[in-house]
Amino acid sequence: AQKVTQAQTEISVVEKEDVTLDCVYETRDTTYYLFWYKQPPSGELVFLIRRNSFDEQNEISGRYSWNFQKSTSSFNFTITASQVVDSAVYFCALSEAKRSGNTGKLIFGQGTTLQVKP
Amino acid sequence: AAGVIQSPRHLIKEKRETATLKCYPIPRHDTVYWYQQGPGQDPQFLISFYEKMQSDKGSIPDRFSAQQFSDYHSELNMSSLELGDSALYFCASSIYGLAGVDTQYFGPGTRLTVL
Repeated sequence: AQKVTQAQTEISVVEKEDVTLDCVYETRDTTYYLFWYKQPPSGELVFLIRRNSFDEQNEISGRYSWNFQKSTSSFNFTITASQVVDSAVYFCALSEAKRSGNTGKLIFGQGTTLQVKP
Repeated sequence: AAGVIQSPRHLIKEKRETATLKCYPIPRHDTVYWYQQGPGQDPQFLISFYEKMQSDKGSIPDRFSAQQFSDYHSELNMSSLELGDSALYFCASSIYGLAGVDTQYFGPGTRLTVL
């Protein structure tokens, strides 16, 4: 069965600190997809990144970076020089490859609430 | 860029009443997903549609039904509402690819409160 675990329920940092959000997943499929979404206090879910299981290349986008390691089934998210606007709930999600009867629904982790203090 | 539109944004109902939530996907997106997010919880998949046909079903109560119309918008109908149905309901849309999985883009959500 698919499962996503975000062990950190809440993290509090001071502005400009670096912070890493952990995500561990379980799946039996050899092809799968990992996502990170941000949910700010306003409530919407904002797509941040998607990573395919066959692409272990890490990615950097501005202050955001993602480390995907299949050997440890982890897809961690690091924010460098955090800012108050980064305060939100961050969800890691897993989707298996599409096949008959499955359009790739997302399985979410429990979410990590990040609070960045000024 | 156009985003997913959901209406209404807020809805207050009494127990045992009926509610209808609407979702308008991003233009040219042909797949719609519905998720339910309870307070302090992660979103849970309810149901999805591709080209107006139901394509996948999750933990959706029998009291709920949904469909996708010819213009690709979707409606989630909820009957005999219970207090436990109070939640944020998200619609997401994606465009079907030949392989793999498509990125789902979420609407702002409809916050349903059942009194």
